[in-house]
Amino acid sequence: EAGVAQSPRYKIIEKRQSVAFWCNPISGHATLYWYQQILGQGPKLLIQFQNNGVVDDSQLPKDRFSAERLKGVDSTLKIQPAKLEDSAVYLCASSLMTSGSQETQYFGPGTRLLVL
Amino acid sequence: GQQVMQIPQYQHVQEGEDFTTYCNSSTTLSNIQWYKQRPGGHPVFLIQLVKSGEVKKQKRLTFQFGEAKKNSSLHITATQTTDVGTYFCARVGNTGKLIFGQGTTLQVKP
Repeated sequence: EAGVAQSPRYKIIEKRQSVAFWCNPISGHATLYWYQQILGQGPKLLIQFQNNGVVDDSQLPKDRFSAERLKGVDSTLKIQPAKLEDSAVYLCASSLMTSGSQETQYFGPGTRLLVL
Repeated sequence: GQQVMQIPQYQHVQEGEDFTTYCNSSTTLSNIQWYKQRPGGHPVFLIQLVKSGEVKKQKRLTFQFGEAKKNSSLHITATQTTDVGTYFCARVGNTGKLIFGQGTTLQVKP
């Protein structure tokens, strides 16, 4: 079974530029999560989708971050404009069941973003 | 949401020594999950604990959930260099999202 795919793996941009990340979850997984992991910290949820609907985006900085999962499969996360403090690893995860369950989440390899 | 506190932040051990990381919450947890993240890697699910006082073992790893369901621990017996990484506990929020502790980074000296 293929795992969660993410691209690009690494990205270096200058502040005020825009950047987009892509995630393809495990086939058949209804729930998709985007986490931000700053160096030395645990991952923090940015946004959670169930199919193509948003379940939780309370921690998403909506003035600069946006995400979509239009067809309920793959997802993109965008930052525009980027700030220095956005330097982090952006992890995508997926789980099989509906939101609210205690299903195991499977993480992708992450995209490492450096904002200069 | 309520955070989970994890200690210690770092631990350096000699290969063959034991290692323990602790996870604490001020409120009762419905469950706790443990993840391992290798350097440069992504979190990988290890186990989920649900029952009060539960103890689960995976080879040299022993996971415990406190009687009051407010704390948990991960103990590694006779560490090996392959155990190097950061160990996270996480509670599952009401939507299914994970709320992670700060992690404990384990270094093992051969």
